Amino acid sequence: NAGVTQTPKFRVLKTGQSMTLLCAQDMNHEYMYWYRQDPGMGLRLIHYSVGEGTTAKGEVPDGYNVSRLKKQNFLLGLESAAPSQTSVYFCASSYPGLVGSYEQYFGPGTRLTVT
Amino acid sequence: LAKTTQPISMDSYEGQEVNITCSHNNIATNDYITWYQQFPSQGPRFIIQGYKTKVTNEVASLFIPADRKSSTLSLPRVSLSDTAVYYCLVAKGNAGKSTFGDGTTLTVKP
Repeated sequence: NAGVTQTPKFRVLKTGQSMTLLCAQDMNHEYMYWYRQDPGMGLRLIHYSVGEGTTAKGEVPDGYNVSRLKKQNFLLGLESAAPSQTSVYFCASSYPGLVGSYEQYFGPGTRLTVT
Repeated sequence: LAKTTQPISMDSYEGQEVNITCSHNNIATNDYITWYQQFPSQGPRFIIQGYKTKVTNEVASLFIPADRKSSTLSLPRVSLSDTAVYYCLVAKGNAGKSTFGDGTTLTVKP
C-alpha cells in the first residue's frame, strides 16, 4: 500500500514551458486535492476533485488545469509556467464516507522551480 | 470557508505540555476542526479531528468550547521530535474544499 505518490519529485522549468504533475493514490479515495506551498507559508488549495470525472476550483486556480479521468489519478497541468509558480506542490486524498472522516493523506511533494 | 487564526510561533521545552489555540469565528454548523502536523520537506500529517467538546487520541487532545469559535490542540510532554508546523483546518466533513492557514511553528528546546 503506497498511499499517495507524486511524480516527479523535482523539476526545473523555463518560463513558458508546460508540464504535468501526476498524483496517484491506491486507497480508493473519492476526494483528491492539489495544494501549493510557498516558502514559509501555509498550503493553498489549487483545485480539487470529489470523484472521477469531476474537478473544482480552489483558492488559487489561475494558471493551472486539472483532470481526473481515473479515480486513482489526479493530474495538475501548467500550460505556460511562470516564475510565480515556483513552489512545492502537494497532492492529497481523502475518503468522505463518514461525516467527519475528513483525514487527508498527503504525498511527499513536488519541488518545482521556474526560471 | 471559515478563516482560521493561529499564533505564528511558540517555544517550549522537552517534557512540557503545549497548547496551541486556533480561532475560527465564522465556523459553520456542519464544519469539523482538524489539526495537521508538518515537518520540513514533508507533506502534512493528520493529528486529530473533532466537532465539539473534547477528543483524545494517542498523540494529542483537542478541546472545543460550546460556541466552537476556537479550538485548542494539546500536546502532552513534548519532545524534540515534536518540533514542526501545526495547522488548524476548518471544513465541512464531506465538502472537499478546505483551506489551511499559515500554521504555528512549534520549537521544542532541550
